[in-house]
Amino acid sequence: DSGVTQTPKHLITATGQRVTLRCSPRSGDLSVYWYQQSLDQGLQFLIHYYNGEERAKGNILERFSAQQFPDLHSELNLSSLELGDSALYFCASSARDGTGWAQYFGPGTRLLVL
Amino acid sequence: GQSLEQPSEVTAVEGAIVQINCTYQTSGFYGLSWYQQHDGGAPTFLSYNALDGLEETGRFSSFLSRSDSYGYLLLQELQMKDSASYFCAANTDKLIFGTGTRLQVFP
Repeated sequence: DSGVTQTPKHLITATGQRVTLRCSPRSGDLSVYWYQQSLDQGLQFLIHYYNGEERAKGNILERFSAQQFPDLHSELNLSSLELGDSALYFCASSARDGTGWAQYFGPGTRLLVL
Repeated sequence: GQSLEQPSEVTAVEGAIVQINCTYQTSGFYGLSWYQQHDGGAPTFLSYNALDGLEETGRFSSFLSRSDSYGYLLLQELQMKDSASYFCAANTDKLIFGTGTRLQVFP
């Protein structure tokens, strides 16, 4: 158990819908990262927040947005969902800013868009 | 572009030693990390090389050569539970993951 929690574990929805994935980092960790993992694209970095501020963006679609709240939990919002958005979404946390630190991954949210 | 290449699959027997290679082309690189992921599970941090050379953590060691844009993960005394996918990841302002290597350990 990494100490990172994600809800929900599974999500089934239809194309065009909007969903919100939630992540609570390990106690004391200020950085939260979001990743998407699919069979054809591998593990892709989406976005990084540190203590409420956006730090880096990866290949995150404009239909996707995220934020980190004052209590440090984070939410990833996916809208106008398409079949290709079906994937496993992980969040990870680390103690500090920058990627030169171990990242602790949550169990993931498996999203299926029908 | 930024890319990290790994062999897609490696097989070995229990008790053996296996090396998983990673070659990278990235900008703003300041280190190489390794993660393990079992089927259906989340990636788990194994090691991080900020400097050239070998880092040892128990049965696992990781090596980095910046001049060769190359690193490897060495797993010794293989156990069945080591069967998993292994990812190298370039530490830049983002963590960029490699293509992953599926390790199968046979009895």
